[in-house]
Amino acid sequence: EAQVTQNPRYLITVTGKKLTVTCSQNMNHEYMSWYRQDPGLGLRQIYYSMNVEVTDKGDVPEGYKVSRKEKRNFPLILESPSPNQTSLYFCASSLEVAGGFSFRHNEQFFGPGTRLTVL
Amino acid sequence: EDKVVQSPLSLVVHEGDTVTLNCSYEVTNFRSLLWYKQEKKAPTFLFMLTSSGIEKKSGRLSSILDKKELSSILNITATQTGDSAIYLCAVRGEYNNNDMRFGAGTRLTVKP
Repeated sequence: EAQVTQNPRYLITVTGKKLTVTCSQNMNHEYMSWYRQDPGLGLRQIYYSMNVEVTDKGDVPEGYKVSRKEKRNFPLILESPSPNQTSLYFCASSLEVAGGFSFRHNEQFFGPGTRLTVL
Repeated sequence: EDKVVQSPLSLVVHEGDTVTLNCSYEVTNFRSLLWYKQEKKAPTFLFMLTSSGIEKKSGRLSSILDKKELSSILNITATQTGDSAIYLCAVRGEYNNNDMRFGAGTRLTVKP
């Protein structure tokens, strides 16, 4: 089954304790992205990656790191989590072809979400 | 600064009503506008729009883009309780190499 998976789904942690949220897709997608969703603010992009070893900052990258060593995985790292990073996090992926502009190149498939609470 | 604004933020209707959700945007080098439906979990894709004036339709849902007005509408006719969800609009531009920008969403509640 084609899907995006995230782990863990729920996490409660304390300020300053490093954590990693994993994201994996089995659709051979080039584009992967992380979002956080907060009430009244919608989805805000944290980081995205156009392909292996290529990552770029989104709107709210502060306090986060990512890596893209393999095409299928795009982990989100919080080196020193703080309470303001309490949020619902989504990973997403899409098929991208350079210069492409058709339906399939822009539809993002979302993971199930990770609810993070930082105390 | 690039932005996507959705209105209304929240809407309560009764089954059978027709609703229109709005999305306006200011994005550098617009590429596409996407609508998603989010119930209790991850957003699911509804439509992608790239050209003005061409209506996309799926059952009771339809959407159209107006690039002159920098906006899009999502229509839902004969609403059902299962349409209750947050509807998200996202715009893909070429600002900062292909990022995706979402609006805050419209929360639709359909009462029986």
